[in-house]
Amino acid sequence: DTEVTQTPKHLVMGMTNKKSLKCEQHMGHRAMYWYKQKAKKPPELMFVYSYEKLSINESVPSRFSPECPNSSLLNLHLHALQPEDSALYLCASSQGVQNNQPQHFGDGTRLSIL
Amino acid sequence: AQKVTQAQTEISVVEKEDVTLDCVYETRDTTYYLFWYKQPPSGELVFLIRRNSFDEQNEISGRYSWNFQKSTSSFNFTITASQVVDSAVYFCALSDQNSGYSTLTFGKGTMLLVSP
Repeated sequence: DTEVTQTPKHLVMGMTNKKSLKCEQHMGHRAMYWYKQKAKKPPELMFVYSYEKLSINESVPSRFSPECPNSSLLNLHLHALQPEDSALYLCASSQGVQNNQPQHFGDGTRLSIL
Repeated sequence: AQKVTQAQTEISVVEKEDVTLDCVYETRDTTYYLFWYKQPPSGELVFLIRRNSFDEQNEISGRYSWNFQKSTSSFNFTITASQVVDSAVYFCALSDQNSGYSTLTFGKGTMLLVSP
């Protein structure tokens, strides 16, 4: 079982809906990440949080809004998404943001936009 | 800029065969880390190994082994006596410092299909 838990596992939503993806880890990690992965492609980094502060936003459209309520939780709020946003969304965490720290991933949320 | 190349898009083998997944990287950093991840159909990326740029010792873990050669910028992954459960997409990744924060540069992945 993964130590990074993501909910829901699957989500289908219309373009006008508002939904949230949730991620939780209890490994005491201080860095958390959101990735987007399209089929047959590698994960693409979206956001990095370090000590609950947004450190990197890879020019992600504002219809994706991250939130880190505490060191164990990471949310991704979704609003007015487009069909091309359909993808697997992966959350990851690491002890810190130093480049020697392996990232541990959750199972992901498979998102479909109608 | 950092780059990771996994030239093999898909490899098919029969159970018990040995298979090597290739990974070639480019970086200007003198200190960097290389990783391999496994992604089964369930979606989760499973961390397999980390190697730093100063340690060229090869590593073996059960049926898995890794060959790091700095001279050729390669970090290849061999599975000995493959099993059906090894079927997955395998990603090689490079970690550098981006504006003071580490980010992973992934290769495009190699899909390994192991048939009985």
